Amino acid sequence: NAGVTQTPKFQVLKTGQSMTLQCAQDMNHNSMYWYRQDPGMGLRLIYYSASEGTTDKGEVPNGYNVSRLNKREFSLRLESAAPSQTSVYFCASRSGSTNEKLFFGSGTQLSVL
Amino acid sequence: SQELEQSPQSLIVQEGKNLTINCTSSKTLYGLYWYKQKYGEGLIFLMMLQKGGEEKSHEKITAKLDEKKQQSSLHITASQPSHAGIYLCGADGQKVTFGTGTKLQVIP
Repeated sequence: NAGVTQTPKFQVLKTGQSMTLQCAQDMNHNSMYWYRQDPGMGLRLIYYSASEGTTDKGEVPNGYNVSRLNKREFSLRLESAAPSQTSVYFCASRSGSTNEKLFFGSGTQLSVL
Repeated sequence: SQELEQSPQSLIVQEGKNLTINCTSSKTLYGLYWYKQKYGEGLIFLMMLQKGGEEKSHEKITAKLDEKKQQSSLHITASQPSHAGIYLCGADGQKVTFGTGTKLQVIP
């Protein structure tokens, strides 16, 4: 099993450009999450989806949109990238909504110039 | 919202030494995760604690959740270079929030 797959692994954008980060899991998990990681800041939750068809804001949702396309896929879109969005982005999933560990993807390193 | 504070922020230890990382929550913890991240890589699950006073071990790493369920400590015995990385605690809930991380370096 591949687990949680994120694409792309690296991306460089210019300010104002848009892009979508893709995440897919093959574990039949219900809940999926998007985090960003900045130096010294740990992981901060951007958006999450407790089940197919639902999404909710996390700690730092501004400047992002998400789509839970189906049970497997959860995408993160930057409509107009800003340098402050330079970060490493992680997608995660788990079977239920609580009491179960999260499985993480390997991350997307995004630079906005 | 629930906030997790980790201390220390960074730690440099000599190989073979013991060390402790602390995670303090602003609210009661109903579940607490510990993850390890190697530099530039993804996150590896270490363990989850749910009950006050619970203690779990994974190889030479032991973590405990205090009775009041607002603080957890992670202890590494006889550290090795393979223990180097960033350690993150996370509070369970519908939104899993994480601490700021502790960067550990182990000098051979």
